Amino acid sequence: AQSVTQLDSQVPVFEEAPVELRCNYSSSVSVYLFWYVQYPNQGLQLLLKYLSGSTLVKGINGFEAEFNKSQTSFHLRKPSVHISDTAEYFCAVSEDTGFQKLVFGTGTRLLVSP
Amino acid sequence: DTGVSQNPRHKITKRGQNVTFRCDPISEHNRLYWYRQTLGQGPEFLTYFQNEAQLEKSRLLSDRFSAERPKGSFSTLEIQRTEQGDSAMYLCAILGGSTDTQYFGPGTRLTVL
Repeated sequence: AQSVTQLDSQVPVFEEAPVELRCNYSSSVSVYLFWYVQYPNQGLQLLLKYLSGSTLVKGINGFEAEFNKSQTSFHLRKPSVHISDTAEYFCAVSEDTGFQKLVFGTGTRLLVSP
Repeated sequence: DTGVSQNPRHKITKRGQNVTFRCDPISEHNRLYWYRQTLGQGPEFLTYFQNEAQLEKSRLLSDRFSAERPKGSFSTLEIQRTEQGDSAMYLCAILGGSTDTQYFGPGTRLTVL
């Protein structure tokens, strides 16, 4: 079974500052890793994913994440945030085989202020 | 646009009533998933379809819940005798082609009074 830990429930940051949202996972098998963003009263939008290959993955809206197998981490970063980045961010993991259900963390609320 | 629509977007019902939600992928996708998201939590897996076959169900899916995908296209999720604890956002997702990535619909928010 897999599990995901997002240690920070809320991250306040000023506009144009850098940000890192932390994600650690646990799994006994090979996994895929994902970051999704959720705006109020909406579904989940894919930001980026790691399936294989380069451990540094780039996504939409200037976000990137780095897969670190030894530390079982997949932290999300953005060098300069905007007010519009205010949202809930979810890290998720799935097995790379089988029916690939997603296991999500509890989410991190990013609050960007002027 | 993720290619998945869900209806209704919001549903308010009284405890004890039955409700049904619908998920419509725009194009054909073999794999379809349902998740439930309660306030302040991440989504939790409920069930999974491969075409019309329901192949996996979470323990969260009590006997009051039933899901179908009769023709391997749209899917419905029914909750019978709703309880206040069923209040949540119900999300549908499809696995996108060969990308091994799930794409979500906008969700149906259920409020049980």
